[in-house]
Amino acid sequence: DVKVTQSSRYLVKRTGEKVFLECVQDMDHENMFWYRQDPGLGLRLIYFSYDVKMKEKGDIPEGYSVSREKKERFSLILESASTNQTSMYLCASSLLNKDYGYTFGSGTRLTVV
Amino acid sequence: GDSVTQMEGPVTLSEEAFLTINCTYTATGYPSLFWYVQYPGEGLQLLLKATKADDKGSNKGFEATYRKETTSFHLEKGSVQVSDSAVYFCALSDSGGGADGLTFGKGTHLIIQP
Repeated sequence: DVKVTQSSRYLVKRTGEKVFLECVQDMDHENMFWYRQDPGLGLRLIYFSYDVKMKEKGDIPEGYSVSREKKERFSLILESASTNQTSMYLCASSLLNKDYGYTFGSGTRLTVV
Repeated sequence: GDSVTQMEGPVTLSEEAFLTINCTYTATGYPSLFWYVQYPGEGLQLLLKATKADDKGSNKGFEATYRKETTSFHLEKGSVQVSDSAVYFCALSDSGGGADGLTFGKGTHLIIQP
């Protein structure tokens, strides 16, 4: 079964910590994405990547960075976590042709205290 | 820019009722349209899709027809079950061919009561 795997389901971090969220896909997809999901706001795109070492800002990139050193892995980095980054984070991947749809991971619920 | 509008709910129905969740969109060009479902504690799963006008997507008893004239992609099911309780997201992919993300609606929380 094809999968997008996020390394943690739940994380609790302290304000100011550097936080790494990892995402791995086994479908040889070109595109990978990071979204955050908040009540009343839906899904908002943070960053995406269409190739190794390539990255593009989404709608809300402030306070985040990403890394894609290998095709199958896309990491989201919170350089200095803040309480307003408490959220559900969803990773997704797709073929270059987005008409096939996205495959999502199960999500990481991050709490910053 | 592109946008998707859907009722947020919660929408509460009895088992075996008919379901409609409305979705309308604004986009340039000819987007592809999707419905995703999110069960409690899980990520989103692709439910169905349509890539051109008048196409009908269907899966697990759910259907949606791509209506270009009304810019809509309403989700329907003839007889819902308790197991259909979830959050449903309508989304579009622009026709530009780039890798940028899907545009999602805010989601509709569906509750089916036995």
